[in-house]
Amino acid sequence: DQQVKQNSPSLSVQEGRISILNCDYTNSMFDYFLWYKKYPAEGPTFLISISSIKDKNEDGRFTVFLNKSAKHLSLHIVPSQPGDSAVYFCAARSSGSARQLTFGSGTQLTVLP
Amino acid sequence: DTAVSQTPKYLVTQMGNDKSIKCEQNLGHDTMYWYKQDSKKFLKIMFSYNNKELIINETVPNRFSPKSPDKAHLNLHINSLELGDSAVYFCASSRGLAGTYEQYFGPGTRLTVT
Repeated sequence: DQQVKQNSPSLSVQEGRISILNCDYTNSMFDYFLWYKKYPAEGPTFLISISSIKDKNEDGRFTVFLNKSAKHLSLHIVPSQPGDSAVYFCAARSSGSARQLTFGSGTQLTVLP
Repeated sequence: DTAVSQTPKYLVTQMGNDKSIKCEQNLGHDTMYWYKQDSKKFLKIMFSYNNKELIINETVPNRFSPKSPDKAHLNLHINSLELGDSAVYFCASSRGLAGTYEQYFGPGTRLTVT
């Protein structure tokens, strides 16, 4: 029973277009959501986050949207660049004292030149 | 000047052996973690230490034992290795508790048990 799901294992997008990566969660106690990016043979690196009290957070080309009623968040990358090709992990923080992160299984984004 | 380093990067061993994976961070962080990335690619928390004290201990077999000699190191010792232990293990650190502060990950250790 995975509490954070990324149902698309892969996504291909043309350079310059928008990339939309999706994530669904089931636990209403999650209060903070994060996106991590991972290149091959490297560890994940933090990309962007959003608090559950907000519905949008923007940082340059990256925007995360949160729809709490649907328990859904998405990461938009505009415009997509070949260097964005990586695996993107969605993660959610539980509101308990331990504050642990639950990760999804990742989506491989390929940006085609 | 790698922020979070793990050794070894690759580890191939036979069933029944005991092995250790080392992790060091030079960021001055108080909290360190071990994650396991399984065959389905999920990153699952195994352990978390804050100031050398265990604060998260998920349901992992007691063959796995973390050891934190100081705040900069969190090693993972695995006894009696089994085939199902094959995975990529990531160490991470953060200034404080996860989610509140960004986590920095090491490059991972690919463990293969034959």
